[in-house]
Amino acid sequence: NAGVTQTPKFQVLKTGQSMTLQCAQDMNHNSMYWYRQDPGMGLRLIYYSASEGTTDKGEVPNGYNVSRLNKREFSLRLESAAPSQTSVYFCASSEEVGNTIYFGEGSWLTVV
Amino acid sequence: AQSVTQPDIHITVSEGASLELRCNYSYGATPYLFWYVQSPGQGLQLLLKYFSGDTLVQGIKGFEAEFKRSQSSFNLRKPSVHWSDAAEYFCAVVASGGGADGLTFGKGTHLIIQP
Repeated sequence: NAGVTQTPKFQVLKTGQSMTLQCAQDMNHNSMYWYRQDPGMGLRLIYYSASEGTTDKGEVPNGYNVSRLNKREFSLRLESAAPSQTSVYFCASSEEVGNTIYFGEGSWLTVV
Repeated sequence: AQSVTQPDIHITVSEGASLELRCNYSYGATPYLFWYVQSPGQGLQLLLKYFSGDTLVQGIKGFEAEFKRSQSSFNLRKPSVHWSDAAEYFCAVVASGGGADGLTFGKGTHLIIQP
């Protein structure tokens, strides 16, 4: 009953450090997404992957890279973290783009 | 590109009272519409969705929503709220054709329940 699993749940980074957020889903979904959530801003799409082997930019892609490692896994990388990237990050998946989206529990990232 | 507006940032309701959370969308064709709920420190849970057909949809936890094309609205309702309903509620629209433009959330409404 895992659904969408993302790690780590909490992370503190120093400005300029790099890190990767990992995400895996066990629902055999084709599409996967990374969102960030900031107070008063709702959820904003960073990158998405409509299917294995494809990735596309969302609303706020700057400063991030993604990898769709296989059908199950979709990682988000911060190459040089900035304080503006302090946020809660959600991984999500859906059977296809346009279908119901299922979310992970979030990763709280603080950049100091 | 479509957009979603949730006009109320905060709403306070007494326990046992009825609830209506507003959602307006802007999109040229018929969208797919969703309501999600987020409890503190948690991810988003799907309450209900509208793809087509009956414009009144029933969801989990006693929630329902009505799609009104003429008003471009998809308001969420509950006849009697419980203290456990206190949470953040997000309306979302997905373009039926897919694409990054199809994945748009409102900024959320924070629901406070008074005893």
